[in-house]
Amino acid sequence: GAGVSQSPRYKVAKRGQDVALRCDPISGHVSLFWYQQALGQGPEFLTYFQNEAQLDKSGLPSDRFFAERPEGSVSTLKIQRTQQEDSAVYLCASSLGTTRQETQYFGPGTRLLVL
Amino acid sequence: GDSVTQMEGPVTLSEEAFLTINCTYTATGYPSLFWYVQYPGEGLQLLLKATKADDKGSNKGFEATYRKETTSFHLEKGSVQVSDSAVYFCALTPTGANSKLTFGKGITLSVRP
Repeated sequence: GAGVSQSPRYKVAKRGQDVALRCDPISGHVSLFWYQQALGQGPEFLTYFQNEAQLDKSGLPSDRFFAERPEGSVSTLKIQRTQQEDSAVYLCASSLGTTRQETQYFGPGTRLLVL
Repeated sequence: GDSVTQMEGPVTLSEEAFLTINCTYTATGYPSLFWYVQYPGEGLQLLLKATKADDKGSNKGFEATYRKETTSFHLEKGSVQVSDSAVYFCALTPTGANSKLTFGKGITLSVRP
């Protein structure tokens, strides 16, 4: 079956531009996560949705980062006024339920380069 | 806060060698523990997991045992193959309702024929 998909796969932005990254989770998955992965590092948590509710946004690095999941399926991560330090791979993951033992299924990521 | 520490890499082994990748964690209570793997050109995928102390997770010949007394979850395989070449990440989800993953830095494994 279809896995988690993300678009675009690559994005080059000039400093100061706004970008929007899309995530299509596995159909029926309640939980959706966004992570940021810098080069040579492990992914770091950004935010968590349970259906359409954003229950945890403690990992968002600044108020330039905004995420939404208005109908409880597709999610968008928006970064306003991009900075060079925002360059990273942005990963989306979904899981069927909400417990901490659940397997999270990851998308291929969006590689963002800010020039 | 919660954290995961992995041994420094990269690791290069010959085919059929024994593999150990060390992972220790810091967390309160009883976290759930995971190994995720990223093959070249692919996304992160779950390799194995253990959700309580003394549990052993296993998959594709890999094993890891949840050791509460040493706060460790070391990954082992008796005989590696070239196809095991990948980046391996140890991760945890904390005790309680929070299900966000905390990852280690990852380690690159290269297996030569």
